[in-house]
Amino acid sequence: QVQLAQSGAEVKKPGASVKVSCKVSGKDPEYTLSEVSSHWVRQAPGKGLEWMGSFDPEDGETIYAQNFLGRVNMSVDSSTDTAYMELTSLRTEDTAVYYCVPSLGGSWPFDNWGQGTLVSVSP
Amino acid sequence: DIHMTQSPSTLSASVGDRVTITCQASQRIGSWLAWYQQKPGKAPKLLIYKTSSLDSGVPSRFSGSGSGTEFTLTISSLQPDDFATFYCQQYDSYPYTFGQGTYLEIK
Repeated sequence: QVQLAQSGAEVKKPGASVKVSCKVSGKDPEYTLSEVSSHWVRQAPGKGLEWMGSFDPEDGETIYAQNFLGRVNMSVDSSTDTAYMELTSLRTEDTAVYYCVPSLGGSWPFDNWGQGTLVSVSP
Repeated sequence: DIHMTQSPSTLSASVGDRVTITCQASQRIGSWLAWYQQKPGKAPKLLIYKTSSLDSGVPSRFSGSGSGTEFTLTISSLQPDDFATFYCQQYDSYPYTFGQGTYLEIK
């Protein structure tokens, strides 16, 4: 299974922005993040899973959940094969673990998750 | 958006028990339903996809069934390693949505 490495924990003030990265690690991965869609899912402390959106590098299409429209940007840097999720205008309720989840196609289940990145937003 | 409702929210059971968790979708999602298991501090792990297909390496005591709007996850004989939180997810249409989770605890 492809190994995913996400960036480290972040502490931010309300109103700031955060950019979380996700990179394939290991030798000879089955796919690269430049080849497959990347989804992002978050989980607030003690809460359930919330799908945030996805980025398709084939056509650059992004699909964002309504809750994040205007505040989130998902992308892939093909030169470094790294997926990014940037969330702006942070609020305390954005405190959560953020997961990247590659997806090999439409209607593909989430079979491989990053280890998660804790983003803490506090005054 | 498709709303996913899981029941129960908490389930107390003993090793060896057979347990069933239910997930109801607010509209038909075909067979595009997955189940995940999550342990504290860990990322979710895919157990079942497309309603009833077991992901690689998942023990056969886990099974899924259902269609349309009603789906179930069954664990035939609980093992100590099974106690965790379980989530259903529809991936029929965007936005993909998850159930609120079922916490399976040791009785």
